[in-house]
Amino acid sequence: GENVEQHPSTLSVQEGDSAVIKCTYSDSASNYFPWYKQELGKGPQLIIDIRSNVGEKKDQRIAVTLNKTAKHFSLHITETQPEDSAVYFCAAVSGNTPLVFGKGTRLSVIA
Amino acid sequence: KAGVTQTPRYLIKTRGQQVTLSCSPISGHRSVSWYQQTPGQGLQFLFEYFSETQRNKGNFPGRFSGRQFSNSRSEMNVSTLELGDSALYLCASSLGQLVDEQFFGPGTRLTVL
Repeated sequence: GENVEQHPSTLSVQEGDSAVIKCTYSDSASNYFPWYKQELGKGPQLIIDIRSNVGEKKDQRIAVTLNKTAKHFSLHITETQPEDSAVYFCAAVSGNTPLVFGKGTRLSVIA
Repeated sequence: KAGVTQTPRYLIKTRGQQVTLSCSPISGHRSVSWYQQTPGQGLQFLFEYFSETQRNKGNFPGRFSGRQFSNSRSEMNVSTLELGDSALYLCASSLGQLVDEQFFGPGTRLTVL
């Protein structure tokens, strides 16, 4: 089955700097890659996603890139703000198989 | 549009008891998935229901079960609770396919003593 590896597990950046989180997946049939942000005491919130027919997608300060050949995808957050501090999860899904999540990255933005 | 709601938000049980958790999906969503989140194992898939039928199942023992009603609301049940069942149980809903955007509820925090 699908296996998703996520790095780093923790990331600290200065406010205003960029943050990059990387994930690799094993199943070449995976075709949907969402990213979730989870704040303390809340459920994961979908922040951006990408499908396998697209290489890059942007939404304001957040972007995701996908390299199907290498089977990896990354989340880029620019101009980080303290409210970006949270745990971020990547996931992959193929067809109608369930989401497989990475282990998460705890991002701390230091003011 | 209201989001995914889960009840109760917090629950404390003792070993051997059983528990039922409830999830109301976003209006119009027909797929409901359940996940267990723990610090050690992360987010693990339990099962998914679509049109009152279990469509996918994760690698959890038979003590974990669920169902979906005709209005798409879903419940999950855990029987003979064990200490290791302490976790945040999350429900997510989507329009109909697992490749559709899935939206999570706030979760139910279950503590087993």
